[in-house]
Amino acid sequence: GAVVSQHPSRVICKSGTSVKIECRSLDFQATTMFWYRQFPKQSLMLMATSNEGSKATYEQGVEKDKFLINHASLTLSTLTVTSAHPEDSSFYICSARGTGNGELFFGEGSRLTVL
Amino acid sequence: AQTVTQSQPEMSVQEAETVTLSCTYDTSESNYYLFWYKQPPSRQMILVIRQEAYKQQNATENRFSVNFQKAAKSFSLKISDSQLGDTAMYFCAFDLIQGAQKLVFGQGTRLTINP
Repeated sequence: GAVVSQHPSRVICKSGTSVKIECRSLDFQATTMFWYRQFPKQSLMLMATSNEGSKATYEQGVEKDKFLINHASLTLSTLTVTSAHPEDSSFYICSARGTGNGELFFGEGSRLTVL
Repeated sequence: AQTVTQSQPEMSVQEAETVTLSCTYDTSESNYYLFWYKQPPSRQMILVIRQEAYKQQNATENRFSVNFQKAAKSFSLKISDSQLGDTAMYFCAFDLIQGAQKLVFGQGTRLTINP
């Protein structure tokens, strides 16, 4: 089946630094990718929709200058958490929509810890 | 805007029993998909079952089946002959077939299967 890979799976950084998370569709072209944030024991909250070749669409309340999203190709989207602070610590999950029936495929998730 | 509600934060049953997870949703749209996703401790999101709103027949996947009541906007998941490996968070989700497609998740139900 289709595979979406996220990297890194875990990252620890110091407060004030920037962290980049990659989301790749390994065996299909993803016209649209989504970035979610999940706090412990909570649901997935959509942060933004990433479309190849155009600007991402952010959900209400999500700071676009804080969470930079780039979808440079049909197989790669990146989320950069800029000037990270401890409150940005969370589990970030990406998903990619295929070009067939539009089924969504999820990455393994990335756990960010900001010290 | 679409909303998805799961009113059961936690459920627990014995192995081999049948369990039903509840989900209600609200939308003014007529064409949409409904999903149940499983998130085991590994945090990888796994698609359990999908239902197209235009189909009257309830979807089934082996031990998993749904009771889709479109007029009542209800979409419950039944797990038959539950297994220890079914222990996970289960999320009900909604997605439009056309237009602004973005998956909206319910709050989740933590299901524990006891030996």
